[in-house]
Amino acid sequence: GAVVSQHPSWVICKSGTSVKIECRSLDFQATTMFWYRQFPKQSLMLMATSNEGSKATYEQGVEKDKFLINHASLTLSTLTVTSAHPEDSSFYICSAPDRGLSEEQFFGPGTRLTVL
Amino acid sequence: QQQVKQSPQSLIVQKGGISIINCAYENTAFDYFPWYQQFPGKGPALLIAIRPDVSEKKEGRFTISFNKSAKQFSLHIMDSQPGDSATYFCAASRGNFNKFYFGSGTKLNVKP
Repeated sequence: GAVVSQHPSWVICKSGTSVKIECRSLDFQATTMFWYRQFPKQSLMLMATSNEGSKATYEQGVEKDKFLINHASLTLSTLTVTSAHPEDSSFYICSAPDRGLSEEQFFGPGTRLTVL
Repeated sequence: QQQVKQSPQSLIVQKGGISIINCAYENTAFDYFPWYQQFPGKGPALLIAIRPDVSEKKEGRFTISFNKSAKQFSLHIMDSQPGDSATYFCAASRGNFNKFYFGSGTKLNVKP
């Protein structure tokens, strides 16, 4: 079946630095990808919709200047957490709908971000 | 405002028993209702999904029951196994290509 990958799977950084997380659709093209954040023992909360070739759409309360999203190609979206702080520590998960054969939406394995 | 409400928060079931998790939604524009299983440190994996034109869908040991008038849907896991111990999330969306609104999750523990 279709696969969505994320890189890195986990990252530790110092407060004030920026971290880039990649989300790739491995065997299908995705004009749209979604970024979610999940705090420990909590649900997935949508952060933004990544659109290939255009600006991302952010959910209410999500700082677009802090969470930069770039959908550079039909198989890659990146989320950059700028000037990270300890409260940004979370599990970041992307998803991508396959509008082709499977017609399903697939989730990546997640990226664990720890900001010291 | 929480778009999808899920209960219970946690559930303990004996091996071989039936696990039942319930969800309710408000937005009548939702037309796609998936259930996801998530193990610690992993991304969610699709278990089963339903659209509002049917009242029930079964895949193996997993069944979704859907009540459109009540705006509720539930997941039934038959013959629950210890390997089913995980967190389960319901979700709702306008089509399976759009953003998902997730329930709060149910942590299932199946005791051997």
